[in-house]
Amino acid sequence: GAGVSQTPSNKVTEKGKYVELRCDPISGHTALYWYRQSLGQGPEFLIYFQGTGAADDSGLPNDRFFAVRPEGSVSTLKIQRTERGDSAVYLCASSLKRGGSYNEQFFGPGTRLTVL
Amino acid sequence: DQQVKQNSPSLSVQEGRISILNCDYTNSMFDYFLWYKKYPAEGPTFLISISSIKDKNEDGRFTVFLNKSAKHLSLHIVPSQPGDSAVYFCAASVRSGGSNYKLTFGKGTLLTVNP
Repeated sequence: GAGVSQTPSNKVTEKGKYVELRCDPISGHTALYWYRQSLGQGPEFLIYFQGTGAADDSGLPNDRFFAVRPEGSVSTLKIQRTERGDSAVYLCASSLKRGGSYNEQFFGPGTRLTVL
Repeated sequence: DQQVKQNSPSLSVQEGRISILNCDYTNSMFDYFLWYKKYPAEGPTFLISISSIKDKNEDGRFTVFLNKSAKHLSLHIVPSQPGDSAVYFCAASVRSGGSNYKLTFGKGTLLTVNP
């Protein structure tokens, strides 16, 4: 079966522009996560969805970042007024939730965002 | 403040030998630990996990050891193969808590296995 897919794989934008990053989770996975990986760092949690709702957005760095998952499947991470410091690889992951516990998270290949 | 630390940025071993990757954590609430492997231009791939009620978990060539008193875990790969060359991330979560979905990652260790 297909894994987690993310588009675009690379995005170059100018400072101040708006960008959208898309994530298609594994079919049937109810939980979806966004992480950000800066150079030389491990992935850092941004936001978690269970179904359509954002259950935890505590990792979003500021109000320029927003994510949606309107139908409980595909998710879009939106960044307004991009800054050079937003340059990173944005990773999406999905998982099943069984018996109240979360299974291992399956990651997509990421979107490399470069803000010039 | 790094709650999960991988203090060795890189490790080089000979094919057929053992690779030992180390990870330390500071948050005593962590009760579930995972190792992920990452190749360039790909997302992290789950490798093996361990619950805090165990001190060892084995899966083929991969074994994870957990020392709760020392807040330390290690991943052993035996025998190492050139295809194991990748960045290895240690991750932790509070599985028994309300936020058990949230993984906290270390910075990763680049493993190079030389033929």
